[in-house]
Amino acid sequence: GENVEQHPSTLSVQEGDSAVIKCTYSDSASNYFPWYKQELGKRPQLIIDIRSNVGEKKDQRIAVTLNKTAKHFSLHITETQPEDSAVYFCAASKESGGGNKLTFGTGTQLKVEL
Amino acid sequence: EPEVTQTPSHQVTQMGQEVILRCVPISNHLYFYWYRQILGQKVEFLVSFYNNEISEKSEIFDDQFSVERPDGSNFTLKIRSTKLEDSAMYFCASCEGTNTIYFGEGSWLTVV
Repeated sequence: GENVEQHPSTLSVQEGDSAVIKCTYSDSASNYFPWYKQELGKRPQLIIDIRSNVGEKKDQRIAVTLNKTAKHFSLHITETQPEDSAVYFCAASKESGGGNKLTFGTGTQLKVEL
Repeated sequence: EPEVTQTPSHQVTQMGQEVILRCVPISNHLYFYWYRQILGQKVEFLVSFYNNEISEKSEIFDDQFSVERPDGSNFTLKIRSTKLEDSAMYFCASCEGTNTIYFGEGSWLTVV
């Protein structure tokens, strides 16, 4: 089955700096790669996603890049703010007849310091 | 904005007892899921449900687990005989069919 690895496990940045989180996946058939932000005790919230027919996607301060050949994708957050502090999970899935199953990475605890 | 809703938000149960976690997926969604997250760990897939049947399940989803869609709106997860290691946050999720999966707020299960 799919295996998703995520690095780093913790990341501290100064407010205003950029943060980069990287993930690799194992199943070349995976074609959908969402990123979720999870605050303590809350639900995972989708912040951005990318499909395998696209190499990069940007939404304001957040961008995701995908390298299908190398089977890795990255989340980039620019101009970080204290409210960006949370756990970020990458995930991978492939669409099937019964929907799709997300395989999550192990998470990155991002701390944005003032 | 429509949301996936879950009840209860927190349940404490004795080991060996049965637990039912309830979910109301987003109304026009066709695919339903249960995931779980043990404290401090990643979110793990349990089961997916489509067209009134299980479409995929993980190794975690053994015989003590079952899912049901008893009516047009609810989607339930039953754990027949809870174990200590079942203590986790259980997330229901739904999907219209275009990949984006929306999660509920979770049901925190504590088995004592």
